[in-house]
Formats: sequence, C-alpha cells, structure tokens
Amino acid sequence: EAGVAQSPRYKIIEKRQSVAFWCNPISGHATLYWYQQILGQGPKLLIQFQNNGVVDDSQLPKDRFSAERLKGVDSTLKIQPAKLEDSAVYLCASSSPLGLAGYEQFFGPGTRLTVL
Amino acid sequence: AQKVTQAQTEISVVEKEDVTLDCVYETRDTTYYLFWYKQPPSGELVFLIRRNSFDEQNEISGRYSWNFQKSTSSFNFTITASQVVDSAVYFCALMYNQGGKLIFGQGTELSVKP
Repeated sequence: EAGVAQSPRYKIIEKRQSVAFWCNPISGHATLYWYQQILGQGPKLLIQFQNNGVVDDSQLPKDRFSAERLKGVDSTLKIQPAKLEDSAVYLCASSSPLGLAGYEQFFGPGTRLTVL
Repeated sequence: AQKVTQAQTEISVVEKEDVTLDCVYETRDTTYYLFWYKQPPSGELVFLIRRNSFDEQNEISGRYSWNFQKSTSSFNFTITASQVVDSAVYFCALMYNQGGKLIFGQGTELSVKP
C-alpha cells in the first residue's frame, strides 16, 4: 500500500511570495489533515477535510493560507503572501475509521519551507 | 483545555541503558485516545501506539513498553536496552474525538550514544 505522498519536499522562497504544497493521501482515506511543524515544536493542525468538506480550520490563518480538496482525494495548501514565521515543515496526514488502524493518522514525509 | 506536556526536552543515554519518556495530558473528555509517534532525522512521523481511555492495560512490544495511568493523566514510554537506531524525537499526542485532530506535545529528543 502506497503511503501519503507530498511534493515538493523542499521549497525556499522570499517573503511576500506565494507557495503551494500538494498532498495525495492513502487510497480510500476519507480524512485528510494538514499540520504545521515549526522547528523544535510538535505539529499543529491547520485544517482537516472529510472527503471534500472542511471539518476544522479553526487554526488556519485565513488571511494568507488557503486549502482545497476539490474531488475528495488529493489536496493543495497555499500560502499567499508568505511571512518569515511561515518557515516550517508542512505535514499531510490521512486516516480512515475502518479496519484495525481505525483513526490512526498516517503521515507523509513533509514539505520543508524556508522563507527568506 | 486539551493539552499534552512532555517536560523532557532532550535525553541522552548510552546504548543498552533503559530510558523513560514522560507524557502528561489534560482533557475534559471521558473518551479520548493517546498516541506516541517517532520522528527520525528523515522527518517522517512514524506511529508507535494508540491507547483509548477505557483501556488502562500496559502494553509491551519488543523493547518498547507503555504505562498508562488515568489517575495521574500520564502515558509514559519506556525503551529497554536502547540502541543507536532509537535516536529520534518522540511525540506524545492526544485525540479527544474520534477522527479528529491530534494535539501534540513539544517532543522529547532522544540521543543514544554507542
């Protein structure tokens, strides 16, 4: 079974530029999560999708961050314009309530963003 | 408030020593789930264990064991006979509704020296 795929793995941009990240979850996983992990901290949820609907975006800075999951499969997270404090690793995870691994979140390798 | 505290920021041990990573959580919910994840230098989070709030049985998996105590709101993780490959950042996390977000602690960086 293929894991969660993310691209790009690394991105360096200057402040005020835009950037987009892509995530493809494990096949059949209805729930998709985007987390932000700042260096030295634990991941923090930005947004959670159930199929193509948003379940929780309470901690998403909506003035600059946006995310979509149009067909209920892969997802993109965008930052526009980027600030220095957005430098972090952006982790995508997916889960399914079914089977022995019910509700376990499987994480992708992450995208490391550096804003200069 | 829903919160996870990992008071140990860094731990350094010599190979073959036993080491315990502490995790204390706060939640108002009576049903919740606790997790441990490992994050090696490659960066990917690797699932280690899930425990639900109704199951206080301790668990052992090879060199790993977990001690869940609701009375002290703790979910500690012990590695027996540590190895260099155990070097990583370990995160404890709380999920207070099924399928919801994970609330992570700050992580404990474990360094196992040969």
